[in-house]
Amino acid sequence: DQQVKQNSPSLSVQEGRISILNCDYTNSMFDYFLWYKKYPAEGPTFLISISSIKDKNEDGRFTVFLNKSAKHLSLHIVPSQPGDSAVYFCAASGVDFNKFYFGSGTKLNVKP
Amino acid sequence: GAGVSQSPSNKVTEKGKDVELRCDPISGHTALYWYRQSLGQGLEFLIYFQGNSAPDKSGLPSDRFSAERTGGSVSTLTIQRTQQEDSAVYLCASRRGTNNEKLFFGSGTQLSVL
Repeated sequence: DQQVKQNSPSLSVQEGRISILNCDYTNSMFDYFLWYKKYPAEGPTFLISISSIKDKNEDGRFTVFLNKSAKHLSLHIVPSQPGDSAVYFCAASGVDFNKFYFGSGTKLNVKP
Repeated sequence: GAGVSQSPSNKVTEKGKDVELRCDPISGHTALYWYRQSLGQGLEFLIYFQGNSAPDKSGLPSDRFSAERTGGSVSTLTIQRTQQEDSAVYLCASRRGTNNEKLFFGSGTQLSVL
């Protein structure tokens, strides 16, 4: 039973345009949401997070939006760069941070 | 060390053999996780250690899988009688404590069972 879902396995975007990666979750008790980025042969690296008390968090070119009523979050990358090409994982945890549930990932390809 | 270290980076084994995967977390991190990523799949939770508490083993797929964490630091994931479906990337992650949400991942061990 997958509690965090990323329904788009891949996304292709032109350099300079916006990339929007989506994530849905089923557990209303999730309190923190994170995005991780993974290059081939490397471990995932933390990108940005958002608490359930917020609906937006911004860090440079990266913005995460949270819609609690829809149980949906999205990651916006503006402008997209070829170096952003990677697999992006959405993750969620409860208030105790003990368990992190990951989506299946979205492979982003930013074309020069 | 500066980051989470995993060894070996690659392991090829024959079906039925036992394997041990090692994880050295970031110094001072009290929480340690094991995940695995099968081809085309997401990150699957396996086991979680927090300090001296009993580990959360709820993600281990069968009793062929076990893990220990000695001295609150290094962890070993053991897979007995490996099967082809065990082939995956095994990722270890650590975090500082109970109130820090960031996980820091190692580069993983690519396990191939022939």
